[in-house]
Amino acid sequence: EEQLVESGGGLVKPGGSLRLSCVASGFTFSDHNINWVRQAPGKGLEWVSSITFSGSYINYADSVKGRFSISRDNAKKSLYLQMDSLRLEDTATYYCAREGGPSTGDAFDLWGQGTMVTVSS
Amino acid sequence: DIQMTQSPSSLSASVGQRVTITCRASQDIGYSLAWYQHKPGRAPNLLVYATSSLKTGVSSRFSASGSGTHYTLTISSLQAEDSATYYCQQYYSSPYIFGLGTKLEIK
Repeated sequence: EEQLVESGGGLVKPGGSLRLSCVASGFTFSDHNINWVRQAPGKGLEWVSSITFSGSYINYADSVKGRFSISRDNAKKSLYLQMDSLRLEDTATYYCAREGGPSTGDAFDLWGQGTMVTVSS
Repeated sequence: DIQMTQSPSSLSASVGQRVTITCRASQDIGYSLAWYQHKPGRAPNLLVYATSSLKTGVSSRFSASGSGTHYTLTISSLQAEDSATYYCQQYYSSPYIFGLGTKLEIK
């Protein structure tokens, strides 16, 4: 079964740091671009960051640029999101999401269950 | 950045009815439009990609169409399990913006 499992969420103070992980199984991780998407409480989905299959190209939402860093380790089938200088507004459930590639036109065809990040003093 | 305007923000309909959700892009996104279903406490689920292609396993009660800047998702013969929030998303260019969502209530 194809699966993405996030971990690393928790409670952190404003200005603090957190590192999220997303582990893949059931498919060839290194064939796919992967994204982070978040949902703040009571709000909609917000795209956060993307990384290509090789790690060569990376993009960030303006809201996290300069504070968050995405990376991947294809040998470990893992995706990471290093979050620094966290703000109250970063409180959200963070999902990793796979781009399906040619089979689904690069839409996000597989999602993890999410990990909750709470930024609070 | 491409902006996505989704309407309505909420919708209430009865079992068996048909509903349509609309998404407008601020510029031509060349059919790179997806629709997702999101239920509380669960992962979002891809329903439609490339404007009108249903993901394998998605009910044929879902259909979608569009071009250029105007896209729609239609759910026919509503069932209780269709209660969810629906999002459009453009993946034509980064940032891959989502619409604000349409919360569908089944009466």
